[in-house]
Amino acid sequence: EVQVVESGGGLVQRGGSLRLSCAASGFNVGDKYMSWVRQAPGKGLEWVAVIHSGGDRKYADSVMGRFTIFRDKSRNTVDLQMNSLRADDTALYYCAKEGYSYGLTGYFDCWGQGTQVTVSS
Amino acid sequence: IQMTQSPSTLSASVGDRVTITCRASQSVSSWLVWYQQKPGKAPRLLIYKASILESGVPSRFSGSGSGTEFTLTISSLQPDDFATYYCQQYNYYSPRTFGQGTKVEIK
Repeated sequence: EVQVVESGGGLVQRGGSLRLSCAASGFNVGDKYMSWVRQAPGKGLEWVAVIHSGGDRKYADSVMGRFTIFRDKSRNTVDLQMNSLRADDTALYYCAKEGYSYGLTGYFDCWGQGTQVTVSS
Repeated sequence: IQMTQSPSTLSASVGDRVTITCRASQSVSSWLVWYQQKPGKAPRLLIYKASILESGVPSRFSGSGSGTEFTLTISSLQPDDFATYYCQQYNYYSPRTFGQGTKVEIK
């Protein structure tokens, strides 16, 4: 069964750091594009970062320079290192596998249950 | 690319035909998906490439459109369909962006 499970969320002070982890099963993270998507309380979905199967990384403007996405093929995990956290980073963070069809990826066909990050001021 | 959904909230009854619209600030061709999200749950992929139904999704869901205007239609609303729906565009050259969501409520 294809699935992803997030961990590592918690309460952190403004300016602090946190590292989220996403453990995949049923597929190899090295073969897929993997993203992090977040959802602030009562709000909509916001894409955060992606790591391509080739290793390229892209970020939303809101996290550029503060967040870094990593991949560990041996552990089959994708991590999100979050530094200089702000109150508006408070959200439920989802790990998502990207689907691929008709020559293009970029949509999310497998989501985890999410891990909560709360930044206190 | 900005995605705008309408309406933000929709009140409907079981059996109703429901249509949600998603507009893109510039053409996304057919690179658009729809998700369903229930409270406390992760989003679920319903439709990709504007009109292709994901495996296991009931046939009462359908998607259409291209360029900048898209619709999600539920042909006969069922109790399990009360949820929030999001559109999202995908394009290699631009960040993935979501609409703000449409909440489908019981009338």
